[in-house]
Amino acid sequence: GIQVEQSPPDLILQEGANSTLRCNFSDSVNNLQWFHQNPWGQLINLFYIPSGTKQNGRLSATTVATERYSLLYISSSQTTDSGVYFCAVVGSTSYGKLTFGQGTILTVHP
Amino acid sequence: DARVTQTPRDKVTEMGQEVTMRCQPILGHNTVFWYRQTMMQGLELLAYFRNRAPLDDSGMPKDRFSAEMPDATLATLKIQPSEPRDSAVYFCASGLRDEGQYFGPGTRLLVL
Repeated sequence: GIQVEQSPPDLILQEGANSTLRCNFSDSVNNLQWFHQNPWGQLINLFYIPSGTKQNGRLSATTVATERYSLLYISSSQTTDSGVYFCAVVGSTSYGKLTFGQGTILTVHP
Repeated sequence: DARVTQTPRDKVTEMGQEVTMRCQPILGHNTVFWYRQTMMQGLELLAYFRNRAPLDDSGMPKDRFSAEMPDATLATLKIQPSEPRDSAVYFCASGLRDEGQYFGPGTRLLVL
């Protein structure tokens, strides 16, 4: 099946800093999503982005499907950004099934 | 604000007991997924339905797990008998083709 690798595995920032999270995938995809799992365990949709660039406030994401990677940018980080960021993809032969990466654990200190 | 709802939010039970988890997908979504999250395995797909028909349940232990969708507003996941290794957070998600999946708050299961 399709493989999803995220980097870095851990990231520690001071409030106000910017960061870039990366997601590499091993095959062509029909769907790519970024999620934030907050400290209470809730999985929150950030972006549905199988290709192109999207922005939502301080967050933006870019997927280059032909090169099989996606980037999540967090600007002016806040302590509430802490948690785990997951990239998940639906492979072109996966019939809707999301395959998750192992996540990036982000800690933002005040 | 449409959301996926799940009940119960927390469940503690003893080994051998039956556990039933319920999910109400977002109205209008035609695909429903069950995922399990553990520290060791991360997030893994157990089963999913499209238009209430089961499409894939290859991620579930067949001898003890069953998933059903009796109507468009309810999906259930049952474990019988439950075992300590089933302790995990179980997420339900719903979606439409080409629009991504939306996750419920999860059911935290502890089997003693």
